[in-house]
This record gives sequence, structure tokens and C-alpha cells, in this order.
Amino acid sequence: KAGVTQTPRYLIKTRGQQVTLSCSPISGHRSVSWYQQTPGQGLQFLFEYFSETQRNKGNFPGRFSGRQFSNSRSEMNVSTLELGDSALYLCASSLFGSGTGAKDEQYFGPGTRLTVT
Amino acid sequence: EDKVVQSPLSLVVHEGDTVTLNCSYEVTNFRSLLWYKQEKKAPTFLFMLTSSGIEKKSGRLSSILDKKELFSILNITATQTGDSAVYLCAVRSGNTPLVFGKGTRLSVIA
Repeated sequence: KAGVTQTPRYLIKTRGQQVTLSCSPISGHRSVSWYQQTPGQGLQFLFEYFSETQRNKGNFPGRFSGRQFSNSRSEMNVSTLELGDSALYLCASSLFGSGTGAKDEQYFGPGTRLTVT
Repeated sequence: EDKVVQSPLSLVVHEGDTVTLNCSYEVTNFRSLLWYKQEKKAPTFLFMLTSSGIEKKSGRLSSILDKKELFSILNITATQTGDSAVYLCAVRSGNTPLVFGKGTRLSVIA
């Protein structure tokens, strides 16, 4: 089975711009979660989607948004970029996510390294 | 607020040593605890422990869960330089997202 894929892998943007990141989950997985990873804060949860519905949202400003399509692919968008948004953005897929189900394993994609200058 | 604390933050050992990494947690409705290994890029899944599976083993790696004392350990025996990585512990409580610890950075020197 192919793993989780994310595009692009690297991105450089300037302050004030917006960016869209894409994630394709493992085939058959219906849940996609997004995380921001920085050296100081570690892995912080952004949001989770399941069957095109946002199930959970982390403590991030409204500039961060996401969506999921009917084929389970997901995108996240950050508008009005700030220097502090520079980070590794990770997407993870699982069968059920935080919903009821024994299969809690979550598998990560390679990430998108975003640099804001 | 759910909390996951890993210790030590970093560790340097020699090849062949055995290491024990710790993960303690405080969550309201424990469901599962997961261990990941992160090298230069994405975290890779190692183990998941639940109430019905409190001990897991794969090669030189093993992990146990103590639900009473609210912690887990990850053991690596006969360490190799390829084990150098950040090891992440995450806990799921009820139907909430995974909460990650800050990780333990393990360096194995030849």
C-alpha cells in the first residue's frame, strides 16, 4: 500500500502571503489529521477531518483552515503568513481517527517544510 | 487539560547499550498510547498500547504500559547508530486527538 503523501515538500513564502498544502491519505483511510511541528513546541495538533467533516480543531488562529474531499484527500490553508508560521507541517491518516474504533494507529506523511521570510 | 511528559529530553549512549525511555501521562479517559520514531522527517509508527495490549515487542524494541501508574516505557536493547532519532509518545483520550509529548532525542555513538 502506498503511504501518506504530501505536496509540496518544501515551500518558501513571504509574510502576508497565503499557502495551500495537500495531503493524500493511505488508501482506505478516512481520517486525516494535520500537525505543526517546531523545535520549541513539538508536535501541535491543528485539525482532524473524517468523511469531509472537521471533527476536531486545535488551538490555532482562524488564519489556519482546512478541508477534506470526498476521496479523503485533504488540504490546509494558511492565510496572511507570519514569520512564526515557519514549521514542518505533518499530515497523518488513520482508519477512524478519534472516532470509535480499535485501529488508532496514525501514519504520517513526509511533511511540508514551510519557510516564511 | 491532557498532558504527556517524556523523559529524559535527550540521551547519549554507546552502541550495544540498553536504553529505557519514559512517558507519563495525565488524561481524562485513556484509550491508547502510541510510540513513534522520528529521524530527519516524518514520525514512523512503532507500537500502540491499550488496555487489552499492555506489552509489545518487535526485535530489539519493546514497550510496556502501566495503566495504574499512568506511564509507559520504551526499551531498546543492543542499540545501534541507526536507532539515533527522536522518540515520540502520544496518548489518545476518548474521542479527542492524539496528544504528543516533546520527545526524547536519542544519540547512539559508535
